[in-house]
Amino acid sequence: KQEVTQIPAALSVPEGENLVLNCSFTDSAIYNLQWFRQDPGKGLTSLLLIQSSQREQTSGRLNASLDKSSGRSTLYIAASQPGDSATYLCAATGNQFYFGTGTSLTVIP
Amino acid sequence: DAGVTQSPTHLIKTRGQQVTLRCSPKSGHDTVSWYQQALGQGPQFIFQYYEEEERQRGNFPDRFSGHQFPNYSSELNVNALLLGDSALYLCASSEDRGVVWTEAFFGQGTRLTVV
Repeated sequence: KQEVTQIPAALSVPEGENLVLNCSFTDSAIYNLQWFRQDPGKGLTSLLLIQSSQREQTSGRLNASLDKSSGRSTLYIAASQPGDSATYLCAATGNQFYFGTGTSLTVIP
Repeated sequence: DAGVTQSPTHLIKTRGQQVTLRCSPKSGHDTVSWYQQALGQGPQFIFQYYEEEERQRGNFPDRFSGHQFPNYSSELNVNALLLGDSALYLCASSEDRGVVWTEAFFGQGTRLTVV
């Protein structure tokens, strides 16, 4: 069974700092790796989708990488802003989405 | 495009009752999946519907059942509610393209509280 782990569980950084969120998965036979953002009590907003044949995807200040062989993905956030404060979830897709427990990010003004 | 819409947004039920949650997928999407997210946890897969049939199921008891309609909208039914069923229920829609999964879009969820 696919197990997805996210480290750290919580992160607090000053505004403007660059940061990296980590996601690891145990089964490399995935179709895609998708990163989501979740605000408290809300649904999931898709940030980036990396297909299994790709190595990375970029959207604005966000960059996500995927290394299937090592079972790892990272989400890089450049020049963090208070509005980036949220929980970030990664999901590995096989025959379903397997989610990590998320990283709770707080960006301090 | 309204995206994925779920109703209701919040719901309070008594232990032992039954509940029905609804989901309308994003335009052009034919596959609907349901997830349960307990507080502080990642979403857990309940089941997926495609062509009006349950295609995959996670590790949830038979109290959890669903349906997909010809217009691709879906319902999640939970019978004999337990306190532990209190959670955020998320619906995700996607377009089936065989074995290559495409991007999934999630609704805002239904917060179910069982008292």
